[in-house]
Amino acid sequence: DSGVTQTPKHLITATGQRVTLRCSPRSGDLSVYWYQQSLDQGLQFLIHYYNGEERAKGNILERFSAQQFPDLHSELNLSSLELGDSALYFCASSVAVNPLYNEQFFGPGTRLTVL
Amino acid sequence: AQKVTQAQTEISVVEKEDVTLDCVYETRDTTYYLFWYKQPPSGELVFLIRRNSFDEQNEISGRYSWNFQKSTSSFNFTITASQVVDSAVYFCALSEVNSNDYKLSFGAGTTVTVRA
Repeated sequence: DSGVTQTPKHLITATGQRVTLRCSPRSGDLSVYWYQQSLDQGLQFLIHYYNGEERAKGNILERFSAQQFPDLHSELNLSSLELGDSALYFCASSVAVNPLYNEQFFGPGTRLTVL
Repeated sequence: AQKVTQAQTEISVVEKEDVTLDCVYETRDTTYYLFWYKQPPSGELVFLIRRNSFDEQNEISGRYSWNFQKSTSSFNFTITASQVVDSAVYFCALSEVNSNDYKLSFGAGTTVTVRA
């Protein structure tokens, strides 16, 4: 158990809908990263938050957004869902930004299926 | 451009055989970090090892060992005396300092199947 929690574990929805994925980092971790794992794209970085502020964006669609709250939990919002958004979404957390001090620990993931 | 290349898509071995996973990376940074993660059939990503670019010392940790060579930009990972529980997808990942976000760039993964 990495100490990172993600809810829900599974999510099935229809095209055009909006969903929210939730992540609670390990106790004391300030950094939260979101990654998407799909069959065609592999594991791709989406976005990074550090202590409530957006730090970096990766290959994140405009239909997707995220935020990190004062209690450090994070939410990834996916809207106007398309079939291609079906994937496993991971959240990872770390104490600091620089991996010199620690690695990223991953949550169990949320499997999103868009029908 | 792909920053991390794992040329081996699948490897199948018999229990107790050694397994070596290849990883080649590409970066212009002088300071960077390399990782190996394991994804068992249950789906979670499990951290295995981390290496800093300024430390090329190769180490052994239990049945795991790694060979980091900056001259060839390679970071290979070996499982000694493989066990069925080692069956998983293994990902090599790179984190670059100059990108200032320290995101992980993953390779495509190598599926390891250990047969009893």
